[in-house]
Amino acid sequence: DARVTQTPRHKVTEMGQEVTMRCQPILGHNTVFWYRQTMMQGLELLAYFRNRAPLDDSGMPKDRFSAEMPDATLATLKIQPSEPRDSAVYFCASGLGQGTDTQYFGPGTRLTVL
Amino acid sequence: LAKTTQPISMDSYEGQEVNITCSHNNIATNDYITWYQQFPSQGPRFIIQGYKTKVTNEVASLFIPADRKSSTLSLPRVSLSDTAVYYCLVGYGGATNKLIFGTGTLLAVQP
Repeated sequence: DARVTQTPRHKVTEMGQEVTMRCQPILGHNTVFWYRQTMMQGLELLAYFRNRAPLDDSGMPKDRFSAEMPDATLATLKIQPSEPRDSAVYFCASGLGQGTDTQYFGPGTRLTVL
Repeated sequence: LAKTTQPISMDSYEGQEVNITCSHNNIATNDYITWYQQFPSQGPRFIIQGYKTKVTNEVASLFIPADRKSSTLSLPRVSLSDTAVYYCLVGYGGATNKLIFGTGTLLAVQP
């Protein structure tokens, strides 16, 4: 049963520290999404890639967030420096083709910035 | 830019049919409508997707009126395990289009 994996599952860090979250999409999927979920804002699309190229990252604060796909099996989301307001659950999802196609979500990374 | 609105919560009993509506007044021509289910501490899971009229699969139906400004997810004969948050997602996902999740509807199914 193919699944999207995310590491770490939980991360507690102090303000100002760098945070790196990793995602392994389902093998063969060419579209990768990063979402952030909070109680106040719900699910927000941060960025997404198709065939490893960034297609839309307008939802991501550019000054501190960056998203990359070094290869087809790894997507990373970095926050530097982290702030308490970044505390949230970060989900990665993968799919085939367009963003309208079924997205398969990972279990998420719960980030707490103190 | 599409904006989606859903009721915050709904209550139901086992065996009943549940209809959850999502409003998306600014839906664009290319936008699809997709519904996801989310359990606590898990990522959302795909339920159903449509563009217009009616779509049915083994777990749900999706009704979309002609103007496409709203959509209704229909869950037949819900059980306790259907207690979850349900999200509608509107968008096409192209380079010039956003994917917008709704605010989510917490469905509580009681015995």
